[in-house]
This record gives sequence, C-alpha cells and structure tokens, in this order.
Amino acid sequence: EAGVVQSPRYKIIEKKQPVAFWCNPISGHNTLYWYRQNLGQGPELLIRYENEEAVDDSQLPKDRFSAERLKGVDSTLKIQPAELGDSAVYLCASSSGHSETQYFGPGTRLLVL
Amino acid sequence: QKEVEQDPGPLSVPEGAIVSLNCTYSNSAFQYFMWYRQYSRKGPELLMYTYSSGNKEDGRFTAQVDKSSKYISLFIRDSQPSDSATYLCAVMDSSYKLIFGSGTRLLVRP
Repeated sequence: EAGVVQSPRYKIIEKKQPVAFWCNPISGHNTLYWYRQNLGQGPELLIRYENEEAVDDSQLPKDRFSAERLKGVDSTLKIQPAELGDSAVYLCASSSGHSETQYFGPGTRLLVL
Repeated sequence: QKEVEQDPGPLSVPEGAIVSLNCTYSNSAFQYFMWYRQYSRKGPELLMYTYSSGNKEDGRFTAQVDKSSKYISLFIRDSQPSDSATYLCAVMDSSYKLIFGSGTRLLVRP
C-alpha cells in the first residue's frame, strides 16, 4: 500500500515568490494534516482537514498561507509571498478519523533565499 | 514554557547499550503519549503510543508514562546502529492535535 505522497521533495525560491506543495494521503484516510518542521524542532500543526472541511487552522498564518482540499482527497498548501523565515520542511500526514496513528509523508524541504 | 520539553542531545551510545530517552509535559489533561522515529530527510514514523499511565512494550522498545510527574520515557534495549535517528515524543490534546517535543538525536556506534 502506498504511503502519503508529497511533491516536490525540494524547492528553492527567492523571497516574495509564491510556492505550492501537494499531498496525496493514504487511500481511505479522511483526515489530513499539514505540519511545518523547523530545523532542530518537532513538527507543528498548521491545519487539519476532516474530509473537505478545515477543522483546525488556528496555527496557519492566514496573511500568506492558504490550503485547500477540494474533493476531500489530495490537498495543496500555498505560500504567497514567501519570506526567509518560511524555510522549513513541510510535512503532510493522514489518519483514519480521530486516530492516535498519523502517517507522515517524506516532506517538502523549502529553502527561501 | 513549551508544552512538551525534550533534551535535543545528541546522545551517542555503543551498540548493544540500553538507551533512555525522556520528555516532560506541562498539561495534566493529556491522555495519549506517542514516540515517533525520524530518519534523516524522512517523515516521522510512529513507534508506539500509550494511553494514560503505565508501560507498553514492543520488541526492544518500551514506552513508559508517569502522569504524576508528567514524565514520558522510551527505552531501547540492545541498541543497533539502525536505531540511529531523531526520536520525537508527542502528546495528543483533547482536540486530537499532536504536540511534539523538539526531538533527541541518537547515534548508536558500531
């Protein structure tokens, strides 16, 4: 069974440019999470979806970050415009409902110059 | 104060040693406690989770939770070089949100 798929794996952009990350969760998982992991830190939740609905986006910087999960399957996280401080690994995870077990993708490593 | 505190290490041990990794947390309402392992340039993978207090064993790994002192531990017996990774503790709050520690880097020397 395929795990959580993320693309791209690496992205280098200049500040003020837009960037988008894509995630395809494990088949059948209705809950999808986006996390940001800064160097030397644990992941921090940005947004959680249950099906198409964003049920927890309190940590998402809404002035520059947006996310969507239109058909309740794959999801896109966008940053516009990117800032130097956005350099981090962006992780997507999925689970079946309210589960203790979240499965993480490999992440997208973003470098903003 | 962070909700979950973890010593960043690095922790370097010889192969075969017993490893002890620890975290503390601040909110006594937390009920689920997890340990994730993260290899370099990979996403975290769940090793074990524990509900409430007590011990849970899975092969060479034992997770322990002491709610009275808000202390979470992971023990690795007969450590192997393949155990070299970053170990993240996490708690789950009442809204099913995972709160992670900063991770401890472990190096097991052959």
